[in-house]
Amino acid sequence: GAVVSQHPSWVICKSGTSVKIECRSLDFQATTMFWYRQFPKQSLMLMATSNEGSKATYEQGVEKDKFLINHASLTLSTLTVTSAHPEDSSFYICSARRLAGGKNIQYFGAGTRLSVL
Amino acid sequence: ELKVEQNPLFLSMQEGKNYTIYCNYSTTSDRLYWYRQDPGKSLESLFVLLSNGAVKQEGRLMASLDTKARLSTLHITAAVHDLSATYFCAVDPDYTSGTYKYIFGTGTRLKVLA
Repeated sequence: GAVVSQHPSWVICKSGTSVKIECRSLDFQATTMFWYRQFPKQSLMLMATSNEGSKATYEQGVEKDKFLINHASLTLSTLTVTSAHPEDSSFYICSARRLAGGKNIQYFGAGTRLSVL
Repeated sequence: ELKVEQNPLFLSMQEGKNYTIYCNYSTTSDRLYWYRQDPGKSLESLFVLLSNGAVKQEGRLMASLDTKARLSTLHITAAVHDLSATYFCAVDPDYTSGTYKYIFGTGTRLKVLA
């Protein structure tokens, strides 16, 4: 089955620092990846669509300069939370889209729990 | 605005009982997905429903899709404690236009009591 690796799984940082989260599709190429944010006991909210070789598409209300997304290769997308503050603490989940046999399936990473002190 | 609503939001049930979780969505889509999430974990894919009338079963769980009613159900048969988790449905409304975004439901937190 398709595997998506997300790293790190847990990060604690000081307020004002930047944190980079990686999302890799291990056994397939993903031209499109997605970044979600999940607050405790809430649903997943799509933050942005990461497109290989082009700019990410951000959802309404998501700050582009705050959440930098780079999709430099067909197997890697990164999310950088710049100048993190406590309100950025959350669970971040990535997914990679695999289109096969007419099916549009997203495979999810294990998630990254960010705690900003 | 596209809405995906699940009912109920919380469910506490006894082992051995049956129950159904409902997922209603507000736009046309013939693709719907069910996921399970354990506390502190990411999503585990349960079912992929790709057409009207699709029905899939795995163990004690069965999912169905009625695209005309814009409704999917996740039925639990003879619940066991291991099924305790949060269940999400997700709609894929724009796959024909190429955006491929999923819109997730509100989630149903299920607790199965021994």
